[in-house]
Amino acid sequence: GAVVSQHPSRVICKSGTSVKIECRSLDFQATTMFWYRQFPKKSLMLMATSNEGSKATYEQGVEKDKFLINHASLTLSTLTVTSAHPEDSSFYICSAPWTGGKTQYFGPGTRLLVL
Amino acid sequence: AQKVTQAQTEISVVEKEDVTLDCVYETRDTTYYLFWYKQPPSGELVFLIRRNSFDEQNEISGRYSWNFQKSTSSFNFTITASQVVDSAVYFCALRGGGGGNKLTFGTGTQLKVEL
Repeated sequence: GAVVSQHPSRVICKSGTSVKIECRSLDFQATTMFWYRQFPKKSLMLMATSNEGSKATYEQGVEKDKFLINHASLTLSTLTVTSAHPEDSSFYICSAPWTGGKTQYFGPGTRLLVL
Repeated sequence: AQKVTQAQTEISVVEKEDVTLDCVYETRDTTYYLFWYKQPPSGELVFLIRRNSFDEQNEISGRYSWNFQKSTSSFNFTITASQVVDSAVYFCALRGGGGGNKLTFGTGTQLKVEL
């Protein structure tokens, strides 16, 4: 069964609004979670590393103020796309390392469409 | 810097054919981990295998097998007697031995299995 969940699975919003995506680890604690973005027919691009109890670490070129990450607890990380624009439309996937970090399990993803 | 190359963008086979997906990696780490993930049309990434750099034994799991060759920095994936349900995008990924658990993904190979 799934070990990482994401909510919502799909969201459509108007340009200028903010959208929050939740990522939860099920039955295990994750001090670290990762957020990826995937464009159609492209690979996964790591956006940021979410750290429980401290600030997220963003990859080069990712706007911190645009993509707000909060690791509220050992089982929950949230990604908020602020003032979304059509170019933010994408597939967002989170992951969490398990079993001592040797394996990463991925959430089912969230499809965001900004009109 | 780490890099994963999946030179095959798309492969089409007829059901029951064997197919091999290539993966070549680059890393300066002496300890590292290699992964294969399957991404069906639904989008959720499914973990297939993890291999650490000190274990060059090939692995077989049902119709799936993996050939790890450190000498050529390759970690190829073979599906025997392919089935339509194998149709998906397959990603090879690399994680360095240092802390952080970051995965570097290849660009993926789209596999289409037709009747």
